[in-house]
Amino acid sequence: KAGVTQTPRYLIKTRGQQVTLSCSPISGHRSVSWYQQTPGQGLQFLFEYFSETQRNKGNFPGRFSGRQFSNSRSEMNVSTLELGDSALYLCASSPGGTGAYNEQFFGPGTRLTVL
Amino acid sequence: GDSVTQMEGPVTLSEEAFLTINCTYTATGYPSLFWYVQYPGEGLQLLLKATKADDKGSNKGFEATYRKETTSFHLEKGSVQVSDSAVYFCALLNYGGSQGNLIFGKGTKLSVKP
Repeated sequence: KAGVTQTPRYLIKTRGQQVTLSCSPISGHRSVSWYQQTPGQGLQFLFEYFSETQRNKGNFPGRFSGRQFSNSRSEMNVSTLELGDSALYLCASSPGGTGAYNEQFFGPGTRLTVL
Repeated sequence: GDSVTQMEGPVTLSEEAFLTINCTYTATGYPSLFWYVQYPGEGLQLLLKATKADDKGSNKGFEATYRKETTSFHLEKGSVQVSDSAVYFCALLNYGGSQGNLIFGKGTKLSVKP
């Protein structure tokens, strides 16, 4: 079974631009979560999508948005990029549902550099 | 709110040394606890987990016991190898309306020398 894939793996943008990152979850998984990893703040939760609906959201400004498609693939978008948005963005998929915990499987991440 | 505190690194050990990485948490209710590992240039891999008090998670020689009385989930390994060099993250997940909200510690970088 293929793992979580993220594209692109590396990205360089300049301040003020916008960027879209993509995540393809493991086949059959319906939940996709996004995390930002920086040296200063560590790993922080951005949002989670389940069955095309945002189910949970972290404490990030509205410049950060996401969506999920009917095939469970997800995209996140960052508008008006700032230098501080430089980070590794990790996507995680899980079977989803409610009740018992479903293990999250992480992708390799997209390394975004804002100049 | 919920939080995780783990010992700051880096931690440098010789091969076959004993490893302990401390992790404590603050959370309401009964969270599940996890250790993730991140090798250079890669995403996170789940190393082990425990879903209730007194559970012991184990994998690849690593162990951690969920201690509710001390709100701790310390990671241990009896004999580390060079291949264990990585960053280790302690995390918790509190049940709610979503499965997605893992809360991570800052990470501890482990370097094992031959």
